[in-house]
Amino acid sequence: EPEVTQTPSHQVTQMGQEVILRCVPISNHLYFYWYRQILGQKVEFLVSFYNNEISEKSEIFDDQFSVERPDGSNFTLKIRSTKLEDSAMYFCASKSGSHEQYFGPGTRLTVT
Amino acid sequence: GESVGLHLPTLSVQEGDNSIINCAYSNSASDYFIWYKQESGKGPQFIIDIRSNMDKRQGQRVTVLLNKTVKHLSLQIAATQPGDSAVYFCAERASTDSWGKLQFGAGTQVVVTP
Repeated sequence: EPEVTQTPSHQVTQMGQEVILRCVPISNHLYFYWYRQILGQKVEFLVSFYNNEISEKSEIFDDQFSVERPDGSNFTLKIRSTKLEDSAMYFCASKSGSHEQYFGPGTRLTVT
Repeated sequence: GESVGLHLPTLSVQEGDNSIINCAYSNSASDYFIWYKQESGKGPQFIIDIRSNMDKRQGQRVTVLLNKTVKHLSLQIAATQPGDSAVYFCAERASTDSWGKLQFGAGTQVVVTP
């Protein structure tokens, strides 16, 4: 069964550093998403991406964040200058034309 | 056992019993709802979904009920098993949101006891 994959599973970085979180969505999917989950809290929407551009973003997704689909398979989330409060699980999701979003296993980002 | 909305975040259920997890949503414009299961250290896993033109949908051992009048969603798990122990999230999508952004609830921790 096809699945969304994410790398790395755990990323530790120092405050102020740039990180890139990587995702490989399901191959025939057209809509891509990033969500995050701070420890013990609910999953929060960050950004949606369709047709090679951002279609919607939340208030969390400020100028420090960017997304890119550099090729036909990868979908990345970049945080330019990480802050302590960026520590969270980051989930990538994708979907086809149907409503169901499939989530990856997540990347745990720890900012020290 | 029964969990009411977001005020009772932990539901303890004996193995073999039925579980009922409740969720209240706030956006009357939401037209699509999903239940996700999240095990420790993993991403949300799709369980079952329902559109707003339905009030009940059944899957394998799971049933979702939707009451649009009171904006309430529930997930029923029949014959709960140890593997059902996880956090369960309801999520909603607004009909006005063409890109399918999901809004998640706070989650309910289900603990299955032997």
